[in-house]
Amino acid sequence: AQSVTQPDIHITVSEGASLELRCNYSYGATPYLFWYVQSPGQGLQLLLKYFSGDTLVQGIKGFEAEFKRSQSSFNLRKPSVHWSDAAEYFCAVGPNQAGTALIFGKGTTLSVSS
Amino acid sequence: SAVISQKPSRDICQRGTSLTIQCQVDSQVTMMFWYRQQPGQSLTLIATANQGSEATYESGFVIDKFPISRPNLTFSTLTVSNLSPEDSSIYLCSVEGQWNTEAFFGQGTRLTVV
Repeated sequence: AQSVTQPDIHITVSEGASLELRCNYSYGATPYLFWYVQSPGQGLQLLLKYFSGDTLVQGIKGFEAEFKRSQSSFNLRKPSVHWSDAAEYFCAVGPNQAGTALIFGKGTTLSVSS
Repeated sequence: SAVISQKPSRDICQRGTSLTIQCQVDSQVTMMFWYRQQPGQSLTLIATANQGSEATYESGFVIDKFPISRPNLTFSTLTVSNLSPEDSSIYLCSVEGQWNTEAFFGQGTRLTVV
């Protein structure tokens, strides 16, 4: 079955420190991979996406993610976290097929301490 | 990109009543998706709404409880019927980008049932 696992429910990082949020997926073929961020009371905003090609993708707000096929992972990273990055982060997987909804992980809550 | 306007942004409803959520997109889209996000949980797909046909519901969701309309290519409604406190959630509508390269989300409707 298709699934997305985000092992960390809650992470606290000091402002200025680096960040890595983990995401593992189970999928029968090469999927499309996404990271979304949801700030309190807000909708979901796309941070970055991977379809093919270079396995290191750059996104908005200084985020990047690396696709590792051998590990079925798509971890999100940021070298220096800002207080405004505190939010809920969702990894999602989608098929290479139009008209099909995304499958989301359970999310990781990021808290940033000063 | 697609801009989605979702109404209402929040509501408090009495148990036993119904709430209808509207989703308006600024461009024509084939598929619209409705998700539920229960408190502290990830997004769960309720149904897929294709213009001109009956919505397709995911396991655990039924049309009597979550009737959906899709009268044209830019609009859809989701009704949550016979409300109970367990229906308290955020409901989001979503559309896919061209070639399924991204999913765009409305701001969500935060429903509280009392």
